[in-house]
Amino acid sequence: TQTVSQSDAHVTVFEGDSVELRCNYSYGGSIYLSWYIQHHGRGLQFLLKYYSGNPVVQGVNGFKAEFSKSDSSFHLRKASVHWSDSAVYFCAVRFRNSNNRIFFGDGTQLVVKP
Amino acid sequence: DTTVKQNPRYKLARVGKPVNLICSQTMNHDTMYWYQKKPNQAPKLLLFYYDKILNREADTFEKFQSSRPNNSFCSLYIGSAGLEYSAMYLCASSRGTHYEQYFGPGTRLTVL
Repeated sequence: TQTVSQSDAHVTVFEGDSVELRCNYSYGGSIYLSWYIQHHGRGLQFLLKYYSGNPVVQGVNGFKAEFSKSDSSFHLRKASVHWSDSAVYFCAVRFRNSNNRIFFGDGTQLVVKP
Repeated sequence: DTTVKQNPRYKLARVGKPVNLICSQTMNHDTMYWYQKKPNQAPKLLLFYYDKILNREADTFEKFQSSRPNNSFCSLYIGSAGLEYSAMYLCASSRGTHYEQYFGPGTRLTVL
């Protein structure tokens, strides 16, 4: 079974705090991992991706994510959040044998308080 | 222009009536997708076109139809809407199936 798990449905932090949004996936085959962000009332926007090479990938607006094969994880991090980072964040995984389908997690609602 | 457009943005439908949603993109992407999204749930892939080839998910095969008259447009058709179809419908496109997807703003469908 191919699953993507985002353990935190809601995360609340203050401006300037660091944040980590967690993503774990269930399958050991070659994979393509990504994060998407959805601001209220808008479509999902691509944030960053990992396929191979350096396990730490940089995205826009100071976001980065780290792939860990041993932990089956692809957590998203930001050192200092801004109120405009408030949004829903989706982890997405394309598994090797998924016939090019992307599996999304249920999303993590990030609230950044001023 | 990396915009994916969807029409309408909001749709009200009666149970048993058909629904047709439209998506367009001008990025010359060969792959277009339709997802269904309900609150606090992951987007659920309904179907996708790779060029002219339609791929429908097994569990929604009979519930949704689609057409892609040209590279830029893709529609999602529900023949007979049920209450359980109330959701946000997201269209996305990508260059091939191995690249990031660009999403439209979605169409919020409410079935009464």
